[in-house]
Amino acid sequence: QVQLQESGPGLVKPSQTLSLTCSVSGYSISTSSHYWSWIRQPAGKGLEWIGRIYTSGSTNYNPSLKSRVTISVDTSKNLFSLKLSSVTAADTAVYYCARVDTAMINYYYMDVWGKGTTVTVSS
Amino acid sequence: DIQMTQSPSSLSASVGDRVTITCRASQSIFTYLNWYQQKPGKAPNLLIYAASSLQTGVPSRFSGSGSGTDFTLTISSLQPEDFGSYYCQQSYSTPRTFGQGTRVQIK
Repeated sequence: QVQLQESGPGLVKPSQTLSLTCSVSGYSISTSSHYWSWIRQPAGKGLEWIGRIYTSGSTNYNPSLKSRVTISVDTSKNLFSLKLSSVTAADTAVYYCARVDTAMINYYYMDVWGKGTTVTVSS
Repeated sequence: DIQMTQSPSSLSASVGDRVTITCRASQSIFTYLNWYQQKPGKAPNLLIYAASSLQTGVPSRFSGSGSGTDFTLTISSLQPEDFGSYYCQQSYSTPRTFGQGTRVQIK
């Protein structure tokens, strides 16, 4: 079945760039018609949508992060990635990747999630 | 951005109780509303999409209803494994936004 796995540094220094990848197994990104999303959750708090990328490479970002976020896809490696620049302590969170499925045309939902990876921003 | 507001923020109920969580959107989102369950230390799990469609594999005691701005998630008979946090999320427009969550505890 489809599985997603986040990976990347668990510790990032302030002002640097956070880089995470989401490896997809059991499913081919290149032959799918899905969006792929990033979501984060600070400890003890709620969920924040970061953005999404379509198989074709088109993206949508949360305006609150837009100037700092880049999401890309590598179909040859069957993964997609997140880069968040100029990080501060406020970016400390668990970061999740998720597949976005659709039903009945235009009803989108995140049906498969990675287990999440904790990123701490600290010097 | 569309603001999603859930109530209550937390609740405690007994096994077998009927539990209802509400979610209100700041503007009409028709039925573009999803519900997720999250257990401590785990990723969210999709329960309901399109306001009332049960995700495959989710027990039938979970149900969703509503349209426009007001939605509910109902657990018809609370089970011990239903503890955790529940989040609504709108899929009407980007950025996608979530409610602040409702923590469900078992008495």
